[in-house]
Amino acid sequence: DSGVTQTPKHLITATGQRVTLRCSPRSGDLSVYWYQQSLDQGLQFLIQYYNGEERAKGNILERFSAQQFPDLHSELNLSSLELGDSALYFCASSVSIPNEKLFFGSGTQLSVL
Amino acid sequence: GESVGLHLPTLSVQEGDNSIINCAYSNSASDYFIWYKQESGKGPQFIIDIRSNMDKRQGQRVTVLLNKTVKHLSLQIAATQPGDSAVYFCAENGSSNTGKLIFGQGTTLQVKP
Repeated sequence: DSGVTQTPKHLITATGQRVTLRCSPRSGDLSVYWYQQSLDQGLQFLIQYYNGEERAKGNILERFSAQQFPDLHSELNLSSLELGDSALYFCASSVSIPNEKLFFGSGTQLSVL
Repeated sequence: GESVGLHLPTLSVQEGDNSIINCAYSNSASDYFIWYKQESGKGPQFIIDIRSNMDKRQGQRVTVLLNKTVKHLSLQIAATQPGDSAVYFCAENGSSNTGKLIFGQGTTLQVKP
């Protein structure tokens, strides 16, 4: 158990809908990262927050947004969902930055039908 | 753009043999590298990391080698066991200091009994 908690584990929804994925980092970790994993793209970095502030942005679509709350948990919001958004979404956390190992949660499997 | 690639998509080894998984990275500014293991239905799990001031680092049954001259990273697993069957990812920190990691596509390790 990495100590990173993600909910829900599975999410099935329809095109055009909006969903929210939740992540609780390990106790004491200030930095949260979101990654998308699909079969043909591997693990793609989406966005990072550090102590409530956005720190880095990857190839995140404009339809996607995230935030980190004062209690350090984070949410990833995906809207106007398309079939191609179906993927595993992972959250990871680290104690500090830079150059530290990331601890990953078990992921949320999103299926857009 | 930045990329980390793996030479072989699938590696099949006999139980008890040593395994070597290779990885090429493209960003010469990367100074932190890490290997993750991902089992089916789980998030990536940290195996071992290495910083650019080192050429070799050993853990329990695993060794990571870094060759900065040719931008190559390898993971050696001694006495491979069935429980080692998984997808292995290498990752690098790239040219940023945010803490995010850039992942390769992954190599599937299959251990034959």
